[in-house]
Amino acid sequence: GAVVSQHPSWVICKSGTSVKIECRSLDFQATTMFWYRQFPKQSLMLMATSNEGSKATYEQGVEKDKFLINHASLTLSTLTVTSAHPEDSSFYICSATQGTLNTEAFFGQGTRLTVV
Amino acid sequence: GENVEQHPSTLSVQEGDSAVIKCTYSDSASNYFPWYKQELGKRPQLIIDIRSNVGEKKDQRIAVTLNKTAKHFSLHITETQPEDSAVYFCAASFNKFYFGSGTKLNVKP
Repeated sequence: GAVVSQHPSWVICKSGTSVKIECRSLDFQATTMFWYRQFPKQSLMLMATSNEGSKATYEQGVEKDKFLINHASLTLSTLTVTSAHPEDSSFYICSATQGTLNTEAFFGQGTRLTVV
Repeated sequence: GENVEQHPSTLSVQEGDSAVIKCTYSDSASNYFPWYKQELGKRPQLIIDIRSNVGEKKDQRIAVTLNKTAKHFSLHITETQPEDSAVYFCAASFNKFYFGSGTKLNVKP
């Protein structure tokens, strides 16, 4: 099956710094990538949708200047958490779809971000 | 955006019994409804999906039903096994995937 790789798996950073998370589709071209935030024992909250070569579409309540998303190629999307604060600590996970609309979304392994 | 509600939040069954998880959605434009299983510390994995032109789909012990009129869909797992224990998420999609709050299923041996 299709493989999505997310890096890093976990990261600890200091308040005020920025952190970049990468999401790569290893064996397919991802026309669309999604970024989610998952709180402990809670669901996957959609943050934004990104399509290669265009600006990401952010969900209501998600600060686009805080969570910078770049989808520079059909196999790579990045999420940068800027000026991180402890409340940004969470599990961030990406998913990617290929080809036509409404097909299976393949998930990365997620990134545990801790801001100290 | 879409609002997906999922019940119950936790479900405990005896091995061999059936488990049913229910979801409702709000956006009538949603036309794709996947179910994901997430084991502890692992990424969500698709277990079954259904599109809006189908009312029911079955894959071995797993089945999904969809009622477009009522905007609800359900996951049915028969003959549950301990390895079915995980968190299950439903989702509704029209270009984007919105997930339910998850159901933690515990299958007791």
